[in-house]
Amino acid sequence: AQSVSQHNHHVILSEAASLELGCNYSYGGTVNLFWYVQYPGQHLQLLLKYFSGDPLVKGIKGFEAEFIKSKFSFNLRKPSVQWSDTAEYFCAVNAGGYNKLIFGAGTRLAVHP
Amino acid sequence: GAVVSQHPSRVICKSGTSVKIECRSLDFQATTMFWYRQFPKKSLMLMATSNEGSKATYEQGVEKDKFLINHASLTLSTLTVTSAHPEDSSFYICSARVTREIGELFFGEGSRLTVL
Repeated sequence: AQSVSQHNHHVILSEAASLELGCNYSYGGTVNLFWYVQYPGQHLQLLLKYFSGDPLVKGIKGFEAEFIKSKFSFNLRKPSVQWSDTAEYFCAVNAGGYNKLIFGAGTRLAVHP
Repeated sequence: GAVVSQHPSRVICKSGTSVKIECRSLDFQATTMFWYRQFPKKSLMLMATSNEGSKATYEQGVEKDKFLINHASLTLSTLTVTSAHPEDSSFYICSARVTREIGELFFGEGSRLTVL
């Protein structure tokens, strides 16, 4: 069965610090990968996605993620976080042609001014 | 992006009653919608895939008689929690794709159910 693992459940950073959130998935075939963000009191919304091509994907608000197939990973990065990045971040995978997304447990990011 | 709306956003009910949550795609037609349940400090758990005009596909461990899903039109799917119990208290989120192909999901704002 597909699964998604996010290593950090809670991350606390100061503004301007660099961010990397880990995401690993379990599936040996073709995958589509997503990062979603949920700001306090708001809907889940898409940050970025990988379907094929360049494994380094750039998303909104300065976020990027790198797909490393050999490591089954799709880590999210941002070189300099802002207070407004405080949110919960979810990694998700769609694999094997299944018509559904499987989500990781989420990482709650708190950025202090 | 596409807009998905849920109603109600919050509902409190007594144990044993049934509650219906609506999920609407406001500016697109969604042949498929997905219902998730979000537990505190845990992931979104896919409950079922709602298919317009046909029966929903439930994930393993989800009671289909308890969580009734109806997708009567291309813009509306409903989740009815029947004979609700306190352990059904949770945050329920629906989502939809614009196209049939694998792609971005658009999420509703979620519905918080509290069963007393």
